[in-house]
Amino acid sequence: DAMVIQNPRYQVTQFGKPVTLSCSQTLNHNVMYWYQQKSSQAPKLLFHYYDKDFNNEADTPDNFQSRRPNTSFCFLDIRSPGLGDAAMYLCATSRVSGSRNTEAFFGQGTRLTVV
Amino acid sequence: QKEVEQDPGPLSVPEGAIVSLNCTYSNSAFQYFMWYRQYSRKGPELLMYTYSSGNKEDGRFTAQVDKSSKYISLFIRDSQPSDSATYLCAMSGLTDSWGKLQFGAGTQVVVTP
Repeated sequence: DAMVIQNPRYQVTQFGKPVTLSCSQTLNHNVMYWYQQKSSQAPKLLFHYYDKDFNNEADTPDNFQSRRPNTSFCFLDIRSPGLGDAAMYLCATSRVSGSRNTEAFFGQGTRLTVV
Repeated sequence: QKEVEQDPGPLSVPEGAIVSLNCTYSNSAFQYFMWYRQYSRKGPELLMYTYSSGNKEDGRFTAQVDKSSKYISLFIRDSQPSDSATYLCAMSGLTDSWGKLQFGAGTQVVVTP
């Protein structure tokens, strides 16, 4: 059974039109991550939530925002997508307790196309 | 210098051969090491997870961590065409309060029948 679920799997949006990607998890993990992955590149961390605390990577463009209304769900909002934002967007979760960190589990990703 | 170095390949092996993958890293604070398999247009799938140094075996997969050399390896025995994918190493440190993963660039593996 899928533990990290991303919707939709494929998203086509127009240049400049806001788009929202969603992620849900059944693992009750306290950390949720959003990564951007372009072709033949490693995943690049955009931001993460540690419980309700939001942490932005220094080089994440302002165009990208995120919301985590509860433990299970997390959203990635792209306010004005540009052609350079076309990529696979990956959601992942892990559990951090004290100094202990579990492995991270990924969803299947949402492939975003900007036209 | 990147924190995690991984040869992008492609690495081509005949079916049945042992696939040997590795990553080197520079941050001595890394304690948790993971290997992921990623098929084209899919999300990364966790294969192996190890903590600190040592070996771990799971079926055809063996992961090794040598913290003194800052070097990790993944071996795939009796490789199959279905093992053709990109393999990503990832790691995180105890000093991070929330376990941020650093990824290697990924190695593309092709197993030929």
